[in-house]
Amino acid sequence: GENVEQHPSTLSVQEGDSAVIKCTYSDSASNYFPWYKQELGKRPQLIIDIRSNVGEKKDQRIAVTLNKTAKHFSLHITETQPEDSAVYFCAAGSSNDYKLSFGAGTTVTVRA
Amino acid sequence: ETGVTQTPRHLVMGMTNKKSLKCEQHLGHNAMYWYKQSAKKPLELMFVYSLEERVENNSVPSRFSPECPNSSHLFLHLHTLQPEDSALYLCASSLAGVAPLHFGNGTRLTVT
Repeated sequence: GENVEQHPSTLSVQEGDSAVIKCTYSDSASNYFPWYKQELGKRPQLIIDIRSNVGEKKDQRIAVTLNKTAKHFSLHITETQPEDSAVYFCAAGSSNDYKLSFGAGTTVTVRA
Repeated sequence: ETGVTQTPRHLVMGMTNKKSLKCEQHLGHNAMYWYKQSAKKPLELMFVYSLEERVENNSVPSRFSPECPNSSHLFLHLHTLQPEDSALYLCASSLAGVAPLHFGNGTRLTVT
């Protein structure tokens, strides 16, 4: 089955700096890569996703890049703000089945 | 308003108890999922129902028993649990196939 590795496990950045989280996946059949944000005590919420027919997608301060050859994808947050502090999860899945495999999460702390 | 509602939010039960977790979605989705979230671990997929039929049972112990009476409701029946089953149990829904998952707020389960 799919195996998703996520790094780093914790990330502390100064407000206004950028944060980058990287994930690798093992199954070349995976073609859907979402990112979820989970604030303390709350549910995971989708913040951005990318499908394998594109290499990059951007939504305001958030961007995701995908390298299918290397089987890795990354989340980039620019101009970080205190409200960006949360746990971020990457995931990978295939349109052929219902399963999403998640990374272990990255705890991001934005220092004011 | 999340669209996916889970009850109860918190549950403490002894190892000999029987309890049930409930999930309801109001998004018109046709697939529902149970995930287990333990500290510092990836979200673990437990069960998937698509069009009210179980399509995934991810080697989950029989002390967890799912039920999906219709496309809007999902239950997880619990009996003779172990302390290591203590975790956050998340319900999610989506349109069938790999699509954005919409999570509920979860049930924080403690087994004493």
